Amino acid sequence: AQSVTQPDIHITVSEGASLELRCNYSYGATPYLFWYVQSPGQGLQLLLKYFSGDTLVQGIKGFEAEFKRSQSSFNLRKPSVHWSDAAEYFCAVGGRRGGATNKLIFGTGTLLAIQP
Amino acid sequence: DTGVSQDPRHKITKRGQNVTFRCDPISEHNRLYWYRQTLGQGPEFLTYFQNEAQLEKSRLLSDRFSAERPKGSFSTLEIQRTEQGDSAMYLCASSLGAGQSTDTQYFGPGTRLTVL
Repeated sequence: AQSVTQPDIHITVSEGASLELRCNYSYGATPYLFWYVQSPGQGLQLLLKYFSGDTLVQGIKGFEAEFKRSQSSFNLRKPSVHWSDAAEYFCAVGGRRGGATNKLIFGTGTLLAIQP
Repeated sequence: DTGVSQDPRHKITKRGQNVTFRCDPISEHNRLYWYRQTLGQGPEFLTYFQNEAQLEKSRLLSDRFSAERPKGSFSTLEIQRTEQGDSAMYLCASSLGAGQSTDTQYFGPGTRLTVL
């Protein structure tokens, strides 16, 4: 079955510290992978995506993620967090290549808090 | 490009009433998706349109739910005889669609439904 696991429900980091949010997926074929961010009461904003090619992808707001096929992981990283990064982060998988549908399967999210 | 818009942003209704939500996708996006997000969870796929055709429906979409996209542009999601369990954020997303090897979904701000 297709699924996404985000093991960390809640993470607190100090402003200026590095960040890594974990994401593991289960998918029958080579997946499309996404990270979205959601501020309270808002919709989802796309941070970055992986479709093919270079396994290290760069996104907006200084985020990057690395696709590791052997570990079925797509962890999100940022070298130095800012207070404005406090939000909920969702990893998603989907997109059968050439398929008729592209529905996304989301993890349960990781809530990021920033300490001053 | 004005992004995906949803209306209303908030809806409070009494149990048993009918409600209707509207989604306007990014112009020229052929695909439109509805997701539901409950507190503490990631979004869950409800249904998907390719132009005006509804191509996939989740088992989450009970008989009380109906979605339309009559002219292949905006979409409506109606819930009849609302129940307290319908309280959630309803998210709409759109993407360019078929033929796109790197199809990416862009989300609207959501409609928050509270059923009393």
